Amino acid sequence: DGGITQSPKYLFRKEGQNVTLSCEQNLNHDAMYWYRQDPGQGLRLIYYSQIVNDFQKGDIAEGYSVSREKKESFPLTVTSAQKNPTAFYLCASSRTAFNEKLFFGSGTQLSVL
Amino acid sequence: GIQVEQSPPDLILQEGANSTLRCNFSDSVNNLQWFHQNPWGQLINLFYIPSGTKQNGRLSATTVATERYSLLYISSSQTTDSGVYFCAVTSPLSGAGSYQLTFGKGTKLSVIP
Repeated sequence: DGGITQSPKYLFRKEGQNVTLSCEQNLNHDAMYWYRQDPGQGLRLIYYSQIVNDFQKGDIAEGYSVSREKKESFPLTVTSAQKNPTAFYLCASSRTAFNEKLFFGSGTQLSVL
Repeated sequence: GIQVEQSPPDLILQEGANSTLRCNFSDSVNNLQWFHQNPWGQLINLFYIPSGTKQNGRLSATTVATERYSLLYISSSQTTDSGVYFCAVTSPLSGAGSYQLTFGKGTKLSVIP
């Protein structure tokens, strides 16, 4: 089945630790995105990538990093510089950036120990 | 930037009832999408509807781009319709070929048996 796979579903971070959230898509989409959702809130854009080996900061990029070495993969690292990382993280993809139908993964809930 | 407002913020329905959700936007848009986020966090793309009317089973959507609004109709609601409904609009950024995607804050729907 075509789609977007996020792992793990739940993740716990200790103080001072970096953690990496995985996102893989087999839709052959060029554009991929990471969004953060806090309880009862909407979606805020962290980073996006329009093509392999290229990515841009979104509205709340501080404390996060990404890479896009393969078309299918767009991992997100939550660094120790992100002081309030507890949130629901959603990965998405579309054929091209922002102007096409958007598809989401099932999300990763990150909590701080 | 463009503002996207959804109403109502919360809605409680008896199973079998019909409802209309509204999405207003403050400027011209290239595209509009409706999403349903189920209680487990998964976001499903319901409609990609820059203008006109589309139907998918008990759901239909209408976008009137010239008047800057879109409506999502849910008929004969079921408990599985519960969750949060988001609209998201694509609008041009300054600079050739650049776009942004802006989400509304969502309408939380609860369908009770």
